[in-house]
Amino acid sequence: EDQVTQSPEALRLQEGESSSLNCSYTVSGLRGLFWYRQDPGKGPEFLFTLYSAGEEKEKERLKATLTKKESFLHITAPKPEDSATYLCAVTAGNYGQNFVFGPGTRLSVLP
Amino acid sequence: NAGVTQTPKFQVLKTGQSMTLQCAQDMNHNSMYWYRQDPGMGLRLIYYSASEGTTDKGEVPNGYNVSRLNKREFSLRLESAAPSQTSVYFCASERRRGNNSPLHFGNGTRLTVT
Repeated sequence: EDQVTQSPEALRLQEGESSSLNCSYTVSGLRGLFWYRQDPGKGPEFLFTLYSAGEEKEKERLKATLTKKESFLHITAPKPEDSATYLCAVTAGNYGQNFVFGPGTRLSVLP
Repeated sequence: NAGVTQTPKFQVLKTGQSMTLQCAQDMNHNSMYWYRQDPGMGLRLIYYSASEGTTDKGEVPNGYNVSRLNKREFSLRLESAAPSQTSVYFCASERRRGNNSPLHFGNGTRLTVT
């Protein structure tokens, strides 16, 4: 069964303290890995899509990387406004392209 | 450009009552989805519509029905609400199912069934 797990469940950082969030997946035939940001009371907001191992994408203080088993979301010098829940999701061939979502990592950045 | 709009934002139902959650998108997307989000779990797919005129079951369809009213609108109906259906419901749209484009989400309907 295709699975997506995320760690840690929650992360608390001081402003400026860089760290990484992990998304591990077990799927047959990865087609794409997606990162989303979700603010409290809002829907997920799309950040990145990664398609193949070795690929990297950047946006402001965020950089997403992909290997054959996992993806990392690196947050460099975070600010309080980066506080949110970060979700990852995968699409794979044997799921008929349905997205499989992880449970998310809740990030808090303290000033 | 509103994107994906969901109504209502909040709803409280008694067990056995029915309701319809509304969703509309203005991005001219072909595919639309209904998910539920529960604490500690990933988003789970209830139903989807790959294109206007088609609907299919997702991972957790029991207790729900859907209607793809036109290309813009996709509604979710609870015929006889149960406490297990207390959740946050998200509608999403995609340019076209299967081409690996991202989902675009609305801001959700928070439903409590007592």
